[in-house]
Amino acid sequence: AQKITQTQPGMFVQEKEAVTLDCTYDTSDPSYGLFWYKQPSSGEMIFLIYQGSYDQQNATEGRYSLNFQKARKSANLVISASQLGDSAMYFCAMREDGSGTYKYIFGTGTRLKVLA
Amino acid sequence: DVKVTQSSRYLVKRTGEKVFLECVQDMDHENMFWYRQDPGLGLRLIYFSYDVKMKEKGDIPEGYSVSREKKERFSLILESASTNQTSMYLCASSYTFPGLAGETQYFGPGTRLLVL
Repeated sequence: AQKITQTQPGMFVQEKEAVTLDCTYDTSDPSYGLFWYKQPSSGEMIFLIYQGSYDQQNATEGRYSLNFQKARKSANLVISASQLGDSAMYFCAMREDGSGTYKYIFGTGTRLKVLA
Repeated sequence: DVKVTQSSRYLVKRTGEKVFLECVQDMDHENMFWYRQDPGLGLRLIYFSYDVKMKEKGDIPEGYSVSREKKERFSLILESASTNQTSMYLCASSYTFPGLAGETQYFGPGTRLLVL
């Protein structure tokens, strides 16, 4: 069974608008971390934001925020005030910390295109 | 700043050749990972290592082997390259420390391998 699901292969957003990229996950481990990465066309993976399973508040990093709904097992990324430079692939990932192996599991990604 | 380097950005090899992909990190990270990235499939873990000379199979280890003789270096070996191993290969490293559950992986720039 897929542990990380990103159901939106592609998204468009108008410049300066907000956009939400969906991510759902599946785990029985009570201790886990959720990550979002950005991959521009150049190929490098850029870490954006992290949410721990025990964190009470949603994580925020500048224009990025993570809408964490634990009961629904969702960890959506919200990008506010989109910029042309936000056009990229975005990957959601999970690490099950209780497993002791510290492996990361990735979703299939969402390609975001910001329109001028 | 953490730096993860990979030996080549682009590589073209012939079917049946032995291929070595090298990855070096400079942050004294215990964990190192090799992924392949294919369109629509996201990142899939090939092998990872949590210590020198230690290795664990990931989700798709068939046709690959790895070597970690020094902490900073993790090599991926394609014993006999095949056309279905044409892909983008990403190396990553991470720190393991109790309590630092939010520590992310750091990625290299990737190697685009074409097997003819």
